[in-house]
Amino acid sequence: AQKITQTQPGMFVQEKEAVTLDCTYDTSDQSYGLFWYKQPSSGEMIFLIYQGSYDEQNATEGRYSLNFQKARKSANLVISASQLGDSAMYFCAMREGTDQAGTALIFGKGTTLSVSS
Amino acid sequence: KAGVTQTPRYLIKTRGQQVTLSCSPISGHRSVSWYQQTPGQGLQFLFEYFSETQRNKGNFPGRFSGRQFSNSRSEMNVSTLELGDSALYLCASSLARQSMNTEAFFGQGTRLTVV
Repeated sequence: AQKITQTQPGMFVQEKEAVTLDCTYDTSDQSYGLFWYKQPSSGEMIFLIYQGSYDEQNATEGRYSLNFQKARKSANLVISASQLGDSAMYFCAMREGTDQAGTALIFGKGTTLSVSS
Repeated sequence: KAGVTQTPRYLIKTRGQQVTLSCSPISGHRSVSWYQQTPGQGLQFLFEYFSETQRNKGNFPGRFSGRQFSNSRSEMNVSTLELGDSALYLCASSLARQSMNTEAFFGQGTRLTVV
C-alpha cells in the first residue's frame, strides 16, 4: 500500500503568491516523522522542513510552513510569497519510528512546482 | 562545511557490466543511505550503512550491494547491469543512525545510463 500520496503532479503559481502542496500519509505507527524536500533540476535533494508526529505546533522554516492535520493524516507544505527559484520538484517523505534496525525515508511521487513572473 | 559528494556525476555503461558509485558524507556524519530514483518507481530506498555495517536494506536484488569504510565513505556496486538500472542514484548522510527525526542531507546524485 502506498504510504505517501501526493495527488498533484504539477502546480503553477505566480511570483509572490502562496501555494499549498498536498501530502497524505498512511501509517499505523504512533511515532513518525514527516519531511519535505525540494529537488531542483540539478538533482540534489534539499531538506526544507520537518514535523514530528508528537509535535503539537505546525513546523515553520522561513517561507515554508507545514500544515499538519494528524487526524486526517495530512502534511501539506505551504510556501508563502513564491519566488522564481522555487520552481522545482517537491517531495513529501516519512520515517516511521518503530523499526529498531533503522528507518528509511519513504517518499511520495512528488509535485512539480512552476513559478512564473 | 562541505556537503555530500557523489562521484561520478554521470556514467554510461553497457548491459552486463558492473559499476561502482562513490559517496563521501558530510564530515562527522556516520550514516550513509542510498536511494534509487526513476521516473516510473520514484525514490526507493536501497540500503543504509552505519559504522561500516549494513543496518537496513530495501527490496532490491542481490546485484545491488554496498559497503562503508572506516572514514564513513560509502560505495555501492551494481553487477550485471540491466537497462532498468538506469536511474539517478542518491546518497544521503546523517549524523547518527537514522531514526524518526533524523535529517538526511543528500548529494547531487550519480546519473547512471545503461545502454
